[in-house]
Amino acid sequence: QSALTQPASVSGSPGQSITISCTGTSSDVGGYNYVSWYQQHPGKAPKLMIYDVSNRPSGVSNRFSGSKSGNTASLTISGLQAEDEADYYCSSYTSSSTFYVFGTGTKVTVL
Amino acid sequence: EVQLVQSGAEVKKPGESLKISCKGSGYSFTSYWIGWVRQMPGKGLEWMGIIYPGDSDTRYSPSFQGQVTISADKSISTAYLQWSSLKASDTAMYYCARQLGSLLTGPTFDPWGQGTLVTVSS
Repeated sequence: QSALTQPASVSGSPGQSITISCTGTSSDVGGYNYVSWYQQHPGKAPKLMIYDVSNRPSGVSNRFSGSKSGNTASLTISGLQAEDEADYYCSSYTSSSTFYVFGTGTKVTVL
Repeated sequence: EVQLVQSGAEVKKPGESLKISCKGSGYSFTSYWIGWVRQMPGKGLEWMGIIYPGDSDTRYSPSFQGQVTISADKSISTAYLQWSSLKASDTAMYYCARQLGSLLTGPTFDPWGQGTLVTVSS
């Protein structure tokens, strides 16, 4: 089971919107609505930002939103803020014996 | 407050054994799966395996099957990750995390432990 594919880096200016893609296959992202997104600041543990494609846990800013089309899921951060600078990982349930798979990770830089 | 607190950093030699822990509090420990995730230095997240403390049902990623053992002691709300013979390539940060839904609706890991840094060096 290969990792889900994410762009290595995405950048934007404060106030702008950015979108991070997460591409898999019909055996994972495309086949199930069990895609989650995690934010990880340097030296910190990951934090759940989105689950089940588009649901936000309590306490997560509504500037974060998720969607999916076919085998590609996306995380959009609107109104980009300096505190959003971090690494972001997608993950998905997979029908393979692996059960779960993470994405390759995307570094978000706020210019 | 739901919390997972992991044991402290470890420095070991190749060939040594190790068991690290993850203690849950603030929720019914036996009712949620606990997963383990590896992050090698400067690299991404890798799912290792998961355990249901209620009945110790355990599943492993094929990449880690046979390399590590996941267990839990529900009497003290603690999950474990152990190695019988460490290698230098096991050097990484290891996180535990609670799976919010069922095994087949994940991974929805929240919260995460603070991580345990394992360094294996001769």
